[in-house]
Amino acid sequence: GQSLEQPSEVTAVEGAIVQINCTYQTSGFYGLSWYQQHDGGAPTFLSYNALDGLEETGRFSSFLSRSDSYGYLLLQELQMKDSASYFCAVRPKNYGGSQGNLIFGKGTKLSVKP
Amino acid sequence: SQTIHQWPATLVQPVGSPLSLECTVEGTSNPNLYWYRQAAGRGLQLLFYSVGIGQISSEVPQNLSASRPQDRQFILSSKKLLLSDSGFYLCAFSGTGSSYEQYFGPGTRLTVT
Repeated sequence: GQSLEQPSEVTAVEGAIVQINCTYQTSGFYGLSWYQQHDGGAPTFLSYNALDGLEETGRFSSFLSRSDSYGYLLLQELQMKDSASYFCAVRPKNYGGSQGNLIFGKGTKLSVKP
Repeated sequence: SQTIHQWPATLVQPVGSPLSLECTVEGTSNPNLYWYRQAAGRGLQLLFYSVGIGQISSEVPQNLSASRPQDRQFILSSKKLLLSDSGFYLCAFSGTGSSYEQYFGPGTRLTVT
């Protein structure tokens, strides 16, 4: 089967660095995506790792290690507006009739304190 | 630019009533289209996806159905709503071959009473 595990909640202070981990169990997948969702809003795409290693986009970075079945999202110089839920998602291979579609984790609620 | 519209924003419906949620996409052709449901404080559950007009795949058996009458129009329907159908419904699109990068509409918050 396919499953992704994320911490349910993380709290950090403004200006700090926070890492949100995502571990997964899947028989094979194309890559790992990250999405941000503010309360009451729609998810927005943040990043995608097709290959192992680090992808950097401004204050946000995402990492993937297929050998460790593990990835993370790194947020630097935290701002109050970063308070949101963050979801990891995989595109599984050979997932019945949904090949290539996303399976989402349950999300991590990040609270940034002053 | 690519945009996605979804309506209504909120909806309160009695049990047993029908449902129709509509989603349209602009600025792209032949997108992959998706319907998700999100329960409060939970992740996203894929309900339906479509790779073309009239092509619908269902992920979760339930009393919901989807249709794609036009290239950039996706409709979620039900003949009789259940209490368990309450939730946040999200439509999304992606380019062909890039389902890892999906763009979501503003969502419809459905409450079945």
